Amino acid sequence: GESVGLHLPTLSVQEGDNSIINCAYSNSASDYFIWYKQESGKGPQFIIDIRSNMDKRQGQRVTVLLNKTVKHLSLQIAATQPGDSAVYFCAEARRGQNFVFGPGTRLSVLP
Amino acid sequence: DADVTQTPRNRITKTGKRIMLECSQTKGHDRMYWYRQDPGLGLRLIYYSFDVKDINKGEISDGYSVSRQAQAKFSLSLESAIPNQTALYFCATSDTGLAGGREQFFGPGTRLTVL
Repeated sequence: GESVGLHLPTLSVQEGDNSIINCAYSNSASDYFIWYKQESGKGPQFIIDIRSNMDKRQGQRVTVLLNKTVKHLSLQIAATQPGDSAVYFCAEARRGQNFVFGPGTRLSVLP
Repeated sequence: DADVTQTPRNRITKTGKRIMLECSQTKGHDRMYWYRQDPGLGLRLIYYSFDVKDINKGEISDGYSVSRQAQAKFSLSLESAIPNQTALYFCATSDTGLAGGREQFFGPGTRLTVL
């Protein structure tokens, strides 16, 4: 498959460890945020979302934290597995406006 | 997502040629989008459509045009391709968001190379 984001920051973690991927967003008026996962050769896949009236949301093995004070979003992946290797990026939007996507972080899971 | 398909998956063309990328969806969504992705950059919006009669320019529409043939079909055209349009192109769909969900569902992408 094709690789995307050749010059992306990379996070390397050991299999079984927890991963934390960070994202700084730009618009203080954004009220909705999404994390996407993009595997090589594939389109982005929705992982989890969060609204601005929340500061934490949990899914299966993933947790998103939102800090509106510093406009920061993070994605935590518990017990990282080889299948988690991908590019992860956040997206922000204000109601009625289109999404703005971050450039992404490449997660590499080491055996 | 198998519900959003794109054709072709790969295309190599020459400068000046007209190219059409096609997108079809079976999700029943009204909203469709075209993005391009370049190394080290986030997805950038080219055009979007909220229904069959609605077409809107995105952030980087110059050099592109679109056609919404039906609710399920949204095609992107490069009238006269140039090398800096070499990129990954993604189609996406979303629901109206009135029920709360605003996430976009992406196709597998088209790798376009303009020589």
